Amino acid sequence: GQNIDQPTEMTATEGAIVQINCTYQTSGFNGLFWYQQHAGEAPTFLSYNVLDGLEEKGRFSSFLSRSKGYSYLLLKELQMKDSASYLCAVRDSNYQLIWGAGTKLIIKP
Amino acid sequence: ETGVTQTPRHLVMGMTNKKSLKCEQHLGHNAMYWYKQSAKKPLELMFVYNFKEQTENNSVPSRFSPECPNSSHLFLHLHTLQPEDSALYLCASSQDIAGGPDTQYFGPGTRLTVL
Repeated sequence: GQNIDQPTEMTATEGAIVQINCTYQTSGFNGLFWYQQHAGEAPTFLSYNVLDGLEEKGRFSSFLSRSKGYSYLLLKELQMKDSASYLCAVRDSNYQLIWGAGTKLIIKP
Repeated sequence: ETGVTQTPRHLVMGMTNKKSLKCEQHLGHNAMYWYKQSAKKPLELMFVYNFKEQTENNSVPSRFSPECPNSSHLFLHLHTLQPEDSALYLCASSQDIAGGPDTQYFGPGTRLTVL
């Protein structure tokens, strides 16, 4: 079966750095996405990786290793507004998105 | 963000009721999706429409009936639901269903409670 694993919850301090990991086993691979979802709101797109390596976008970076079935989302200079759930999703060989259950990130002052 | 809108935002219904959820996208996209989001579970893809044609139905019970009259509108008709159907129902759209960095844009969701 297809599976996406990510930690259920993480806690970090304002101003610090946090890394959210995602491992996947899917039928094929056509890209990996990270979304942010604040409580009660819609998921919003953060990043897309299809080749191995690091994609940097401001305070957020996303890394992919296809051979290891592994990705991480790195958040720098954490702000209170970064408190949210972070969803990892992989597009499989049928071009469907397979989703993880999300990581709830709690930022403390 | 008003690219994808959903109504109603909250819905409480009994098991014998019939109701409909509405989704509208203003992004000129060709593909639309219904997802179910339950607490601490992954998003579950329910239906996919591409150019108004249904391309996916992921073993969804017949008490959920989708309708896509045009590329901008998507409905989910509900009847004789069960309490376990209580969840957040999210609508999304994308340019198409192919690959590449084409991302899905989500609506705010309808919080459904079945009594």
